[in-house]
This record gives sequence, C-alpha cells and structure tokens, in this order.
Amino acid sequence: GENVEQHPSTLSVQEGDSAVIKCTYSDSASNYFPWYKQELGKRPQLIIDIRSNVGEKKDQRIAVTLNKTAKHFSLHITETQPEDSAVYFCAAQSGSARQLTFGSGTQLTVLP
Amino acid sequence: DAGITQSPRHKVTETGTPVTLRCHQTENHRYMYWYRQDPGHGLRLIHYSYGVKDTDKGEVSDGYSVSRSKTEDFLLTLESATSSQTSVYFCAISNGQRADGYTFGSGTRLTVV
Repeated sequence: GENVEQHPSTLSVQEGDSAVIKCTYSDSASNYFPWYKQELGKRPQLIIDIRSNVGEKKDQRIAVTLNKTAKHFSLHITETQPEDSAVYFCAAQSGSARQLTFGSGTQLTVLP
Repeated sequence: DAGITQSPRHKVTETGTPVTLRCHQTENHRYMYWYRQDPGHGLRLIHYSYGVKDTDKGEVSDGYSVSRSKTEDFLLTLESATSSQTSVYFCAISNGQRADGYTFGSGTRLTVV
C-alpha cells in the first residue's frame, strides 16, 4: 500500500518568515495530494490540494509543489502569521475507494 | 455543520466492553471512512465504505468492525475495547466523483480504562 513520509515533525518560524513542509510518497499510482490544517481540538480542514497533472498551485500565501518523478510534494507558506500555528498533514490518494494515506503531521509554531 | 456528524463526541469505557461510534452524513456521498488519530502517527485508516453494505479494511483494522446499512450512516464497532484503542476517531466522507479531498466529522475522543 501507499506510504507517506512527512518532515519535519515540528517547525518554529518567526512571524513574517516562510515555512516549508515536505512529504514523499511511495505509490506511483497516487494522483491527488491534499494538505490539511488541524487546529487544537478541531477537525482537519482542507487548505490546498494538487493533482498529478499539475506541478504547482498557489492560493494567496499558500503554495504546493509536486515532483512526480521524485515522488515528493511540498507545502510553502509565506509571510507566516500567528494564526498559521497548527498541525499540518499531507496526504496521497490511491485505491479504488480513493483512500487517503496521511503523513504523520507537522506542528507549525509561528512566533510573534 | 459540513453535513457530517459524529456521536458521541466523548466516551469513556471499560476494557473488554463493546463500543459503537456513529457517523451520519446528509451529503449523500458514496464514500465514507473511519480514521484514528494518535500522536506521532497522523491519521490512520481503519475501515472504509464505497456503498451500502460495501466495506473494506484499512491499515489498522484489527479489533474493529463496521457496518453501513444506509447511505447516511457508517458505524464503527470496537468488539472488545482495549487500552490501545484509546484515541480520537474521525469519520470522513467523499463524493468520489473526482479526485477530491475529504470532509471530516468533528471527531470522537474515546478513552478505554
């Protein structure tokens, strides 16, 4: 089955700096890669996603890049703000029921 | 909220007792999933369903069973709860019409003592 590795597990940045979270996946058949943000005690919320036929996607301060050859994808957050502090999960989708396999998460802390 | 609800939100149960968690959706989505969330492990798939009475095992299915007798309801049963099943359980739904992200329920915090 699919295996998704996520790094780093914790990340602290100064407000206004950029943050980068990286993931690798194992199944070359995976074709969809969402990112979720989870605040303490809340449900994961989809923040951005990318499909396998696209190399990069941007939404305001958030961008995701995908390298299918190397089987890795990354989340980039620019001009970080305290409200960006949360746990971020990457995921890869494969299988007939479109199952998502998640990375182990990154605790992002934005220091004021 | 978001067309998916989980019940109960919190539960404490004793080792060896059966426990059933409920996921209810109003979106008429075909696919439903149960995940557990533990520190350092992210979200791990327990079971999933691709239609009424159509279910399959995920990565960590031992000790769990599921049923889906109606489109809107997906039940997760811990047949004989153990302390290792103390976790936060999330249900998710997907319309499956295209590669798409999930919508998650609010989660159930289960403690087995």
